Amino acid sequence: DGGITQSPKYLFRKEGQNVTLSCEQNLNHDAMYWYRQDPGQGLRLIYYSQIVNDFQKGDIAEGYSVSREKKESFPLTVTSAQKNPTAFYLCASSNSGSRETQYFGPGTRLLVL
Amino acid sequence: GNSVTQMEGPVTLSEEAFLTINCTYTATGYPSLFWYVQYPGEGLQLLLKATKADDKGSNKGFEATYRKETTSFHLEKGSVQVSDSAVYFCALTDSGLDMRFGAGTRLTVKP
Repeated sequence: DGGITQSPKYLFRKEGQNVTLSCEQNLNHDAMYWYRQDPGQGLRLIYYSQIVNDFQKGDIAEGYSVSREKKESFPLTVTSAQKNPTAFYLCASSNSGSRETQYFGPGTRLLVL
Repeated sequence: GNSVTQMEGPVTLSEEAFLTINCTYTATGYPSLFWYVQYPGEGLQLLLKATKADDKGSNKGFEATYRKETTSFHLEKGSVQVSDSAVYFCALTDSGLDMRFGAGTRLTVKP
């Protein structure tokens, strides 16, 4: 089955710790995205990548970092600089080109201990 | 910039009632419009989409028509079921890389 997987489903972060969220897709999509969702709110774009080894900041990139070494993978690191990391994180992918549908993974819920 | 405004929730309906969730948009170009659905603890699933004016997207009994003259893409369903309880998001993109989402509307359907 083609799709997007995210792991872990739940992640706990201690003060001062960096944590990495995994996102893998087997849809052969060129573009991948990370969004943050807070309770009762819409999605806000953190980072996106159109091709391997290239990525761009979204609306709320501060305190986050990404890499895109493989087409299938787009991990997100939540650094200690992100002071309010508790949220639901969603990864998505799409074909390149304008106005394409984005397809989402099941999400990772990050909680701070 | 582009933006989406959707009806505030929560919306509570009885089973078999008619559903409308309003969505209006602001865009500088010619966007594609989407409705996504999110069940508790899960990611977003594409419900339907429309790519040009007067197109009607439909899926699982849900429909929405791309109205350029009123810049709207309202979601409708003639008879809701308990299993339709979820959060619904309206979204648009005109670049493929800059998708804008509404705040979401929570729907609860009671038996």
